[in-house]
Amino acid sequence: NAGVTQTPKFQVLKTGQSMTLQCAQDMNHEYMSWYRQDPGMGLRLIHYSVGAGITDQGEVPNGYNVSRSTTEDFPLRLLSAAPSQTSVYFCASSFHPLDSRETQYFGPGTRLLVL
Amino acid sequence: AQSVAQPEDQVNVAEGNPLTVKCTYSVSGNPYLFWYVQYPNRGLQFLLKYITGDNLVKGSYGFEAEFNKSQTSFHLKKPSALVSDSALYFCAVRDDGDDKIIFGKGTRLHILP
Repeated sequence: NAGVTQTPKFQVLKTGQSMTLQCAQDMNHEYMSWYRQDPGMGLRLIHYSVGAGITDQGEVPNGYNVSRSTTEDFPLRLLSAAPSQTSVYFCASSFHPLDSRETQYFGPGTRLLVL
Repeated sequence: AQSVAQPEDQVNVAEGNPLTVKCTYSVSGNPYLFWYVQYPNRGLQFLLKYITGDNLVKGSYGFEAEFNKSQTSFHLKKPSALVSDSALYFCAVRDDGDDKIIFGKGTRLHILP
């Protein structure tokens, strides 16, 4: 199986533009999450989902929307891009937190530059 | 709310020497603790986790971590470092009363030949 896939790998946006970062997994994982990685800040949780139809906010949700209509997909939407959203975005999936198999699998990342 | 701290931005160790990467945490309930590694221009890879039971957890690539409840720590260790261990290491925590997994800022490990 492909694991966790993310598209695109790299994107340049202008301030105010919108876009969707795609994330898909084929491991039948209930739990999916989005993180952003910035130098000196580590990984910060943006949004997460414990199953289809259920989403919740993480540490830094402002400026981002998510939805979870299927188990496989968890897209992240930037509504109006700002330079502060320049970052590397990682999607991750795992079995439900109450499952002993809980271990997050990460995608390869999307590098976003907002001008 | 849970939080995790990695007090060292960088750790330098000579090849063959033991290494330790520090992590401390704060939770309201019981902690679920994880270590991940990131190699240059790559995503994160799971190393090991603590849920319950034995305080010494063994993981991938010869790494292990020791859970210390009284010191709220979960330090990553390896008896003999390899140059190939050079990477960025992240500690993460989940409170058993929450679904969020929170990561630390990361520690860059340099193994010197």
